[in-house]
Amino acid sequence: DTEVTQTPKHLVMGMTNKKSLKCEQHMGHRAMYWYKQKAKKPPELMFVYSYEKLSINESVPSRFSPECPNSSLLNLHLHALQPEDSALYLCASSQDTTWGVQGKGGYTFGSGTRLTVV
Amino acid sequence: GQQVMQIPQYQHVQEGEDFTTYCNSSTTLSNIQWYKQRPGGHPVFLIQLVKSGEVKKQKRLTFQFGEAKKNSSLHITATQTTDVGTYFCAGRNSGYSTLTFGKGTMLLVSP
Repeated sequence: DTEVTQTPKHLVMGMTNKKSLKCEQHMGHRAMYWYKQKAKKPPELMFVYSYEKLSINESVPSRFSPECPNSSLLNLHLHALQPEDSALYLCASSQDTTWGVQGKGGYTFGSGTRLTVV
Repeated sequence: GQQVMQIPQYQHVQEGEDFTTYCNSSTTLSNIQWYKQRPGGHPVFLIQLVKSGEVKKQKRLTFQFGEAKKNSSLHITATQTTDVGTYFCAGRNSGYSTLTFGKGTMLLVSP
C-alpha cells in the first residue's frame, strides 16, 4: 500500500462545531505531517510527528489539535474555527524526518480534506 | 529563516513547446525535492536531488541541482496537456528537518 488516506474529503462546519480530520498510512513511515493549503499557494506546514511524538508545531492556533494514536494514524481535531481557516488540509508521511540520503526523503501526500468554515 | 523563491509564477505554452521553472534558495540546501500538483489534486513527489551539480531525468523531465546547492531547475521537453499543473520545489538545509516549499509555477498547456 503506497497511499495516504484522508477522510472526509469535504467538510463544512460551523464556527461552534467540533470535528476531526483523519489520516492513515500503511507504508511503515515514521514521520507524519499536517499541512494547510490555500488556493494558489504552497502547502504550509502545521505539525510534524516523528515516531508518534509531536516534534514540530509551527505556532498553530490551539483551535487545531493534532493527535497521533499510533504509527499509522494521524488526527487533526478542530474546534471553534474561523472562516479564514477554510482551506485544503493535507496529511503527508515520509520514512522519517531526516533528509533521506538514499533518495527516500520524498513525502507522500493524501488527497486532502477540503474544509469550509461557515 | 530559509526562503525558497520560484519563478515564473505562471506559464502558458502551446503543446510541444518546452517549459522551465527555476528555484533559488537564500541558503545552501542539503537537498531539494520537486512536486507536481494537478488542478484540484494533491502534491505528488517527483524527485529528490542531493548532490552538487546533480542532473536527473524522468522521460521528458530533466531536473538539475546547482553546483552551489542553492538553485535548481525543472525542464520539460515538448510539453503535453497532461503536464498541466503546479510544480513546486521544496528545499531542506542541514539545520532543519522540514521542507520549505517555493510558491510554485503553474503550467498551462494549450493543445
